[in-house]
Amino acid sequence: GAVVSQHPSWVICKSGTSVKIECRSLDFQATTMFWYRQFPKQSLMLMATSNEGSKATYEQGVEKDKFLINHASLTLSTLTVTSAHPEDSSFYICSARQLAGENPYEQYFGPGTRLTVT
Amino acid sequence: RKEVEQDPGPFNVPEGATVAFNCTYSNSASQSFFWYRQDCRKEPKLLMSVYSSGNEDGRFTAQLNRASQYISLLIRDSKLSDSATYLCAVTDFNKFYFGSGTKLNVKP
Repeated sequence: GAVVSQHPSWVICKSGTSVKIECRSLDFQATTMFWYRQFPKQSLMLMATSNEGSKATYEQGVEKDKFLINHASLTLSTLTVTSAHPEDSSFYICSARQLAGENPYEQYFGPGTRLTVT
Repeated sequence: RKEVEQDPGPFNVPEGATVAFNCTYSNSASQSFFWYRQDCRKEPKLLMSVYSSGNEDGRFTAQLNRASQYISLLIRDSKLSDSATYLCAVTDFNKFYFGSGTKLNVKP
């Protein structure tokens, strides 16, 4: 159980275009999903916390107009990187927190989306 | 100051060795603690939660020291397949904070 999927797994896009990444919890409901970014040889950096039915909470330094997050249901959150630039190239990982479970603070990670902006 | 700090390593050890990693956290209000394993270009996978009483899962033992605000991971009888980056994570009911990871290379 507790499987999280992400789509696409990798994407190459041209500078100035927008890219949408989907994060789904496949076998559980997640009121909260998290979006992280990881640059090579660095740790996961939390970008935003996505709550179902409400606006996302962005971390300091993350532009909410550039990284649009929508959490329309208990099993789906999307991250749209608008007007992508080469410096946005990174590994984007989502995670989801189960509503109930042995440890409600555990997070389950999606497989990640590798974005390359040319 | 970072919320969570780890020695980046790498730790280069021979097969069969015992290796230990520590991770310190700054927020005394932290409530839950975890160790994750991350392979190159993959997402982190939960290795184990860390409880106050300490917990063991096969060759892996995790411990929490609240007074000194650190968690540890001990790997016994290292296998080649244990080579990965090990991330500690700390949560205060709201957000997760990850360490930068400790790289482990197990060599034959």
